[in-house]
Amino acid sequence: GESVGLHLPTLSVQEGDNSIINCAYSNSASDYFIWYKQESGKGPQFIIDIRSNMDKRQGQRVTVLLNKTVKHLSLQIAATQPGDSAVYFCAETPGGTALIFGKGTTLSVSS
Amino acid sequence: DAMVIQNPRYQVTQFGKPVTLSCSQTLNHNVMYWYQQKSSQAPKLLFHYYDKDFNNEADTPDNFQSRRPNTSFCFLDIRSPGLGDAAMYLCATSWRGDQPQHFGDGTRLSIL
Repeated sequence: GESVGLHLPTLSVQEGDNSIINCAYSNSASDYFIWYKQESGKGPQFIIDIRSNMDKRQGQRVTVLLNKTVKHLSLQIAATQPGDSAVYFCAETPGGTALIFGKGTTLSVSS
Repeated sequence: DAMVIQNPRYQVTQFGKPVTLSCSQTLNHNVMYWYQQKSSQAPKLLFHYYDKDFNNEADTPDNFQSRRPNTSFCFLDIRSPGLGDAAMYLCATSWRGDQPQHFGDGTRLSIL
């Protein structure tokens, strides 16, 4: 079936660097996308979302970019901190109900 | 200030012994979801309730059932747990399907 995938299973960065986590989606009907952060032993935590009528959205230290032409989603984290270490999932909503999660990228931040 | 509360955090049951996991929310959201997450994998949707309307995912085993007696509570019943059902079970809520989902911290289920 169609699903959301991530390009890299792991990403290691130095504290203070900018991080970019990528995601490719395959369902052209998807119109809502979310990035989640999941720390060990906890549930996914909402970071930022974007709808298909936008191509960029900014939050505090995070930016999500959506390229519908190539079905690509990315999460940029500015000035990455050790507390940003976690697994990051992108998720899509094809049809406005259930979320389909991608496989996840583990971000490791070293000081 | 927990908004989606799952109990218990850890549950151990025996092979074949029915088990119920619970979820409650203080957000008054219309939609409640149950996900299964196995180690190093993404959450996988089992089913969701849009208010009282139950929606089952096509590949959710019949062994899994759910109840939503009121807006605040939702239960996951596993009738005859097998070893392959050991996982983290996550509950989530949202206003609508196209709104952010808020997750609880899950119940980790172990099968002996």
